[in-house]
Amino acid sequence: KQEVTQIPAALSVPEGENLVLNCSFTDSAIYNLQWFRQDPGKGLTSLLLIQSSQREQTSGRLNASLDKSSGRSTLYIAASQPGDSATYLCAVRFSGYALNFGKGTSLLVTP
Amino acid sequence: SQTIHQWPATLVQPVGSPLSLECTVEGTSNPNLYWYRQAAGRGLQLLFYSVGIGQISSEVPQNLSASRPQDRQFILSSKKLLLSDSGFYLCAWSVGGTAYGYTFGSGTRLTVV
Repeated sequence: KQEVTQIPAALSVPEGENLVLNCSFTDSAIYNLQWFRQDPGKGLTSLLLIQSSQREQTSGRLNASLDKSSGRSTLYIAASQPGDSATYLCAVRFSGYALNFGKGTSLLVTP
Repeated sequence: SQTIHQWPATLVQPVGSPLSLECTVEGTSNPNLYWYRQAAGRGLQLLFYSVGIGQISSEVPQNLSASRPQDRQFILSSKKLLLSDSGFYLCAWSVGGTAYGYTFGSGTRLTVV
């Protein structure tokens, strides 16, 4: 069964800290991996898309890495801000059309 | 630019009533369309996807159905809602191929009472 796991489930950090969110998946044969942000009661906002042939993608203070052989991805957030508080979701496209989601990491950045 | 619209944003329906949620995409042609459900304490689950008009694939057996009457319109329906149908319903689109990601709508919060 193809599964996506995110650790930790929740994280609270003071403003300004650099932090890492982890995502692991059970099958190394993937098409791509996408990181999303979800604010309470809202839809999903795409942050970064990494193709299976890529090792990392960067957007502003965000950097996502992909290691297919070990079935892992990390989302690095530099100099965290209170506005970064949200749930971060990792989604993997293994095959076919479906995106398989982890349950997310709920991030709280305190001033 | 491409945009995706979902409505309504919030819905409270009694058990046994029908349901119709609509999703439309603008700015692209022949998108792949998806319905996901996010239940409390659980991850997002793919319910249906469509790669073309009238083509619907179901990922899980359930009380719901989907239709795609037009290229950029995707509808989620139920004839009789159950309490277990409560959740946050999200529509998404992608272009064909594996090089592109998904774009999600703003979601519909459905509460069945």
